[in-house]
Amino acid sequence: QKEVEQDPGPLSVPEGAIVSLNCTYSNSAFQYFMWYRQYSRKGPELLMYTYSSGNKEDGRFTAQVDKSSKYISLFIRDSQPSDSATYLCAIYGGSQGNLIFGKGTKLSVKP
Amino acid sequence: DTAVSQTPKYLVTQMGNDKSIKCEQNLGHDTMYWYKQDSKKFLKIMFSYNNKELIINETVPNRFSPKSPDKAHLNLHINSLELGDSAVYFCASSQDAGSYNEQFFGPGTRLTVL
Repeated sequence: QKEVEQDPGPLSVPEGAIVSLNCTYSNSAFQYFMWYRQYSRKGPELLMYTYSSGNKEDGRFTAQVDKSSKYISLFIRDSQPSDSATYLCAIYGGSQGNLIFGKGTKLSVKP
Repeated sequence: DTAVSQTPKYLVTQMGNDKSIKCEQNLGHDTMYWYKQDSKKFLKIMFSYNNKELIINETVPNRFSPKSPDKAHLNLHINSLELGDSAVYFCASSQDAGSYNEQFFGPGTRLTVL
């Protein structure tokens, strides 16, 4: 079983839709969970991170972690064409500081 | 001000050649990384250096050799390039490696091996 699983999509939604992106992970010891956004031909940039369980909100974005089911989610409200990108979930894997990434979900928001 | 920069941005070369990719960060960070992103967008750690010392060396062919001349630079040298090395290589940096710190990524180097 891979450490982080993410449905690669692609996912296409109309402008204004609510988007739900999800990942599952295998190791219950993980504590830090990140969402990165990667525009085409650019490097990933950190969108949000969450420590342990719970929700975190930043504008139209909400990150949610459910440690009991090892499930992490990113919700985008009122999606915009500028949100079109690949979204990568990531987990901080341990004392050596490496991130473990999901395969990324390609999102397209149509005007 | 570019935080993490990489050169070159594109690299097209023949099988068997040796090439280098350079990375520099101006954030004052202690830890730098190399990641490889394959054609399916899967991003995977290759190496990590903390204060010029190698701390992560994932299962990577020994044709790949990282070198850190100082804390602000981490270069990647690849010998005897193979078709399967074609990918986008990202450099990243973070404050340190002992606990979670945000990693800042460079723009990537797109390597194509013909």
